[in-house]
Amino acid sequence: EDQVTQSPEALRLQEGESSSLNCSYTVSGLRGLFWYRQDPGKGPEFLFTLYSAGEEKEKERLKATLTKKESFLHITAPKPEDSATYLCAVQANYGGATNKLIFGTGTLLAVQP
Amino acid sequence: DAGVTQSPTHLIKTRGQQVTLRCSPKSGHDTVSWYQQALGQGPQFIFQYYEEEERQRGNFPDRFSGHQFPNYSSELNVNALLLGDSALYLCASRRGRQAVWSYTFGSGTRLTVV
Repeated sequence: EDQVTQSPEALRLQEGESSSLNCSYTVSGLRGLFWYRQDPGKGPEFLFTLYSAGEEKEKERLKATLTKKESFLHITAPKPEDSATYLCAVQANYGGATNKLIFGTGTLLAVQP
Repeated sequence: DAGVTQSPTHLIKTRGQQVTLRCSPKSGHDTVSWYQQALGQGPQFIFQYYEEEERQRGNFPDRFSGHQFPNYSSELNVNALLLGDSALYLCASRRGRQAVWSYTFGSGTRLTVV
C-alpha cells in the first residue's frame, strides 16, 4: 500500500538552530514529491516539487532534497516566522491515473526567539 | 490574482443533515480536487473533477458526492452527516488533469457536526 511517513511529528528549535525534516515514502511509480507549509486554520501553501532522485531545490532558508526512498527538508538558521506544519505529499502513477496526492501527517515546527 | 476561494469558511451542522461546500478554482485552472483533513492529520483525497466529470475517487462512501460547473467551479455535497465527518475540507486546483503540476489549495471550510 502506498504510504508517506514524516518524522519527527513535532520539532522545537531555537532561532538560528538549523535542522532537517524527513519524509519517507513507499509508492509505485513516483511522479512527483511535494512539500507544503500549512499555518493553523489555513490551507497548505506550496513550497517545492521534486521529480527524481538527486534533485534539490532551494527557497530562502529552505532546501529540499530527494532520494529513491525519502526526501529531506533542510531549514537553515530558522526564524520564528518559519513556525508551521510542514506537509510532504507524493503523486504516483495509478494505472494511468495520476490525480491524487498522498499526504503524510506532517511535522509541526516551532521556532523560538 | 485570486487564488482558490472556498465558502463558507465555517459551518456547524447536526448529525444526519446534508451540507454543500463550494470552491472557485484559481484563474486559469480547470481541475479541482477535494480533500478532507481531520485534526492533526494530513489531507485525505476525496475525488477530482475535470471537464465536469469525476475522474478519480478516494476511499470515501457514496455519501460524499460532487459536481463541477462549466466555469470550473465545484461543489462538495455530504449527505447523512456523521460526527466523524467533522474536519477541514480543502479544495485544490491546477491546470490540466494528468500533468505533475503543483496544486493550489484554498483556506478550507471548517465543518463541525454536532
